[in-house]
Amino acid sequence: QKEVEQNSGPLSVPEGAIASLNCTYSDRGSQSFFWYRQYSGKSPELIMFIYSNGDKEDGRFTAQLNKASQYVSLLIRDSQPSDSATYLCAVNERNSGYSTLTFGKGTMLLVSP
Amino acid sequence: DAGVTQSPTHLIKTRGQQVTLRCSPKSGHDTVSWYQQALGQGPQFIFQYYEEEERQRGNFPDRFSGHQFPNYSSELNVNALLLGDSALYLCASSLRLRSGTDTQYFGPGTRLTVL
Repeated sequence: QKEVEQNSGPLSVPEGAIASLNCTYSDRGSQSFFWYRQYSGKSPELIMFIYSNGDKEDGRFTAQLNKASQYVSLLIRDSQPSDSATYLCAVNERNSGYSTLTFGKGTMLLVSP
Repeated sequence: DAGVTQSPTHLIKTRGQQVTLRCSPKSGHDTVSWYQQALGQGPQFIFQYYEEEERQRGNFPDRFSGHQFPNYSSELNVNALLLGDSALYLCASSLRLRSGTDTQYFGPGTRLTVL
């Protein structure tokens, strides 16, 4: 059973701070990793994905991947109250040429003004 | 550019009934995946359709079935509804790549309540 683990939170940060969201996964063969943001009552919205070790930056967001430690993280710089949401980590599994996602339970982020 | 659409938005059913949910993928996408998200949980994979066939299936009973049409749209059917089927049902579409990573984009979801 492939597992993706996230702290449920909530993670509380003040406006303007850096929020750090973490995720670990069980399948050492996993290749691609996604971060989705989900506002309460809404559907997941793709933030970014990463598949190479190291950092990948997109605006205020930076994804970090360490395959040896089976660890992926998302940093949000200059956090805004509008960033308050649940952040879902997802691991891509590829079986017989078809890709599916295994999700963690998500971490709730609260950014206070 | 039309994104993923789903209908209906909300649905209320009683135990034992059957329900059909619908999904139209993002323009240019050919693969549809369905997920169930219970309150406070991450989405759980139900199944995936490509070229009108079920290609991958998660750990869900046969009461959950689906279909994909030639225009790539898809339906999710759930028979003999249980209270535990109450959840947000998410459709995600993607373009299947022969290698590399397919990126999935989610529709707005259908909130199913079973009484």
